[in-house]
Amino acid sequence: DGGITQSPKYLFRKEGQNVTLSCEQNLNHDAMYWYRQDPGQGLRLIYYSQIVNDFQKGDIAEGYSVSREKKESFPLTVTSAQKNPTAFYLCASSSQGRTEAFFGQGTRLTVV
Amino acid sequence: GQQLNQSPQSMFIQEGEDVSMNCTSSSIFNTWLWYKQDPGEGPVLLIALYKAGELTSNGRLTAQFGITRKDSFLNISASIPSDVGIYFCAGSARAGSYQLTFGKGTKLSVIP
Repeated sequence: DGGITQSPKYLFRKEGQNVTLSCEQNLNHDAMYWYRQDPGQGLRLIYYSQIVNDFQKGDIAEGYSVSREKKESFPLTVTSAQKNPTAFYLCASSSQGRTEAFFGQGTRLTVV
Repeated sequence: GQQLNQSPQSMFIQEGEDVSMNCTSSSIFNTWLWYKQDPGEGPVLLIALYKAGELTSNGRLTAQFGITRKDSFLNISASIPSDVGIYFCAGSARAGSYQLTFGKGTKLSVIP
């Protein structure tokens, strides 16, 4: 089935450690995104990528890094520089020229 | 940046009742999207709107793109328990733009 796969579903890390969240899509979409969701809040854009080997910062990129080496994959690294990393992270993708984004099932990151 | 005000923030309704929620923007949008998010899952696209005045249905859901292009409405008719969740509006200022602005969501609870 076509879709967006995020893994793992739940992730626990100690404070000060970097952690990488996986996002893979087989929809042949050009654009991919990472959003952060906090309780009672809307989705805030961290990074997005329109093509392979290119990505742009969103509204809250500080403390995060990404790579886009393959069209299907857009991993997000939450670095130790991120002051408040505990959140629900959502990956999404869209096809070229289309605004509609389709989401994965999310990764809940808890930093202790 | 652009902001979306979504209301109400939460609502409790009896099964079988109709539901209405809306989003307003401080600026003109060219695309409006409505998503539903179940607890612990990623948002699922319900309806996409592309033209001012457009009225689109998806089963018991009906959404409208406001004439002023600064608002959108979502109605759910004859609510059922599985309608429970958080409904998000999202908008884009440019057709085909990769950047979406999200509202903070309307949490819907349905009392059987």
